[in-house]
Amino acid sequence: EIVMTHSPATLSVSPGERATLSCRASQGVSSNLAWYQRQPGQAPRLLIYDASTRATGIPARFSGSGSGTEFTLTITSLQSEDFAIYFCQQYNKWPWTFGQGTKVEIK
Amino acid sequence: EVQLAESGGGLVQPGGSLRLSCAASGFSFRSYWMGWVRQPPGKGPEWVAKIKYDGRDQHYVDSVKGRFTISRDNAKYSLYLQMNGLRAEDTAVYFCVRETWGKGDSWGQGTLVTVSS
Repeated sequence: EIVMTHSPATLSVSPGERATLSCRASQGVSSNLAWYQRQPGQAPRLLIYDASTRATGIPARFSGSGSGTEFTLTITSLQSEDFAIYFCQQYNKWPWTFGQGTKVEIK
Repeated sequence: EVQLAESGGGLVQPGGSLRLSCAASGFSFRSYWMGWVRQPPGKGPEWVAKIKYDGRDQHYVDSVKGRFTISRDNAKYSLYLQMNGLRAEDTAVYFCVRETWGKGDSWGQGTLVTVSS
């Protein structure tokens, strides 16, 4: 199965600053990559799909890029509600697989 | 509004069985692939199983093949996961997920399954 690896595991950022999260696939997944946000005690929320398309209702401060094996999620001007855990998921080859996640915490 | 509500989680002994249910509303359930995703404590999520909109095709991750069975009842807008031969490593929060072209575009709140003696 395809292994997804996040870096860093934890990112400390001040409110209003930019956060850049990386996700690497163990083999190419084309652009079949999604990003999710999970707040404590809440259901995961789809942010980005097809590597760079924002899901319905997702603010423009979230953007995704990359293809193949290297992907990036960028959050510009972090808001208080953005401090959460972020996961990437590939859906190029079954089984769909997720990374362990990056925790974005308040600096 | 899409709503997915899981039920059926709980504490079960190793080797035991449990059946999870998911009640769906707010969309045309019979038109979507559906799946179960689990997240063990402190780990990343794992897509466990998925089922085609008509129920005629199912896929499983290797770790649950032969033990778990996904099914659906479109008339009842319901998704199920029958889990047999449960192991400690199956302990996780289990989410019901609507799948659209491989991505989970709607998730339930999850139900906790704990396998322990």
